[in-house]
Amino acid sequence: EVQLVESGGGLVQPGRSLRLSCAASGFTFDDYAMHWVRQAPGKGLEWVSGISWNSGSIGYADSVKGRFTISRDNAKNSLYLQMNSLRAEDTALYYCAKEVVTTRYYYYYMDVWGKGTTVTVSS
Amino acid sequence: SSELTQDPAVSVALGQTVRITCQGDSLRSYYASWYQQKPGQAPVLVIYGKNNRPSGIPDRFSGSSSGNTASLTITGAQAEDEADYYCNSRDSSGNHNWVFGGGTKLTVL
Repeated sequence: EVQLVESGGGLVQPGRSLRLSCAASGFTFDDYAMHWVRQAPGKGLEWVSGISWNSGSIGYADSVKGRFTISRDNAKNSLYLQMNSLRAEDTALYYCAKEVVTTRYYYYYMDVWGKGTTVTVSS
Repeated sequence: SSELTQDPAVSVALGQTVRITCQGDSLRSYYASWYQQKPGQAPVLVIYGKNNRPSGIPDRFSGSSSGNTASLTITGAQAEDEADYYCNSRDSSGNHNWVFGGGTKLTVL
């Protein structure tokens, strides 16, 4: 069964750091790009960051650029998000998601999502 | 970075057809994908590419695209289709950036 399991969330004070992890199973992890997507309470989905299969291409939303760092360890089938200088507005449920690109038509989509891990930034 | 625009809320009578739209410049370069999210649950992919449904998604869900606009159509909406729907696509500005629409709350009357 294809599965993504996030961990590492919690309550943290503003300005502090937190590291999220996403454990992947049931598929060949290093064949796929991966993403972090967050959802603030009562709000919509917001793309946070994405990383290619070999870490050669990385992107960040403007709202987290310079504060968050995405990385992956293909040997451990794991995705990470290092979050520094956290702000109240970073409070959200953080999902990791697997990206698929079809080779024939170059369709891009996120086909598998974890259940998320909650980050609360508050003093 | 690009933006995708969706209507915040749409309603449909039970058994009728509803179209949810998504507009943005990135859709001129990339197809949208669509996700259904019910309260307390993770998003679920319902449409990707030109008009493709993952296994297990009912055939009442379909997608289309023209220019900078993508549409998700539900033909014969059911009570269980009441949910939030999000579009997303790669961002045409480069790197590995993506963008989501703001979401549409679908109410089935």
